[in-house]
Amino acid sequence: EVQLVESGGDLVQPGESLRLSCAASGFTFSTYSMHWVRQVPGKGLVCVSQINRDGSFIRYADAVKGRFTISRDNAKNTLYLQMNSLRVEDTALYYCVRGTTGWAGVDVWGQGTTVTVSS
Amino acid sequence: DIVMTQAPLSSPVTLGQPASISCRSSQSLVHSDGNTYLSWLQQRPGQPPRLLIYKISNRFSGVPDRFSGSGAGTDFTLKISRVEAEDVGVYYCMQATQSPITFGQGTRLEIK
Repeated sequence: EVQLVESGGDLVQPGESLRLSCAASGFTFSTYSMHWVRQVPGKGLVCVSQINRDGSFIRYADAVKGRFTISRDNAKNTLYLQMNSLRVEDTALYYCVRGTTGWAGVDVWGQGTTVTVSS
Repeated sequence: DIVMTQAPLSSPVTLGQPASISCRSSQSLVHSDGNTYLSWLQQRPGQPPRLLIYKISNRFSGVPDRFSGSGAGTDFTLKISRVEAEDVGVYYCMQATQSPITFGQGTRLEIK
C-alpha cells in the first residue's frame, strides 16, 4: 500500500524552527517528485515547496522563500521540510504529497502534521 | 502563478440530484506537450484531499463513475450525476500545467 506519513509538527513560538519529515512506503520513492502543501484550518490549499526526484530542481512559494528548505533522502525514503524563522501565518496543517509520473499532477496525500506558531 | 477560480463556493444539493462545479484558470492550461493538466480533488470532513479526476476527464483509480470532468483551455467543470451522502465535502480544482501547482479556493458541497 502506498503511504505517506508526516511527523514533526508542534506548537512553537514566532522565530523558532521546526523540521517536518515524511516517511514514504509502498512505492519507489526515488522515482517521484514530492511536494509540501499547507492548509490553514477552514481555508484552501497552497503548495509551499516542491522537489524533483533527485533534488536538482526545487521551488518555494514566495511566502516561505529564504526561511524554508525542502530536501529528500532517497536512501531513507524520506522527505523533509526545514522551517526557520517561523511566523504566526505559517500556522497550518502541512501535507506531504506525491507527484505523478507520466502526467503532471499529484496523486497521493499524507494525513498531515499540524504546525502552530503562537506566542 | 496561475490563479484558479471556482464557482459556486457553496452548493446545497438534494440527495440523488446532480451537482456541477465550475473552475476557471487565469491562463490556458494547455501544456507545451499538448496535454491539459487540470485535476479535481475531494476533501471529506477531517480527511486529506483525494484525487478524483486528472487531465480534465480521467477518473483516478477507485473513483465512482458518477463523477465526470470536462472542459478545455481555461474553463472546466466537475459533475456528479447523482449526489450521495458520502460526497459531502469540499472540492478543489488544481492545475499542474505550470509550476507551482495551484488550487481553486474550494467549493463546499452540502446536502439540503
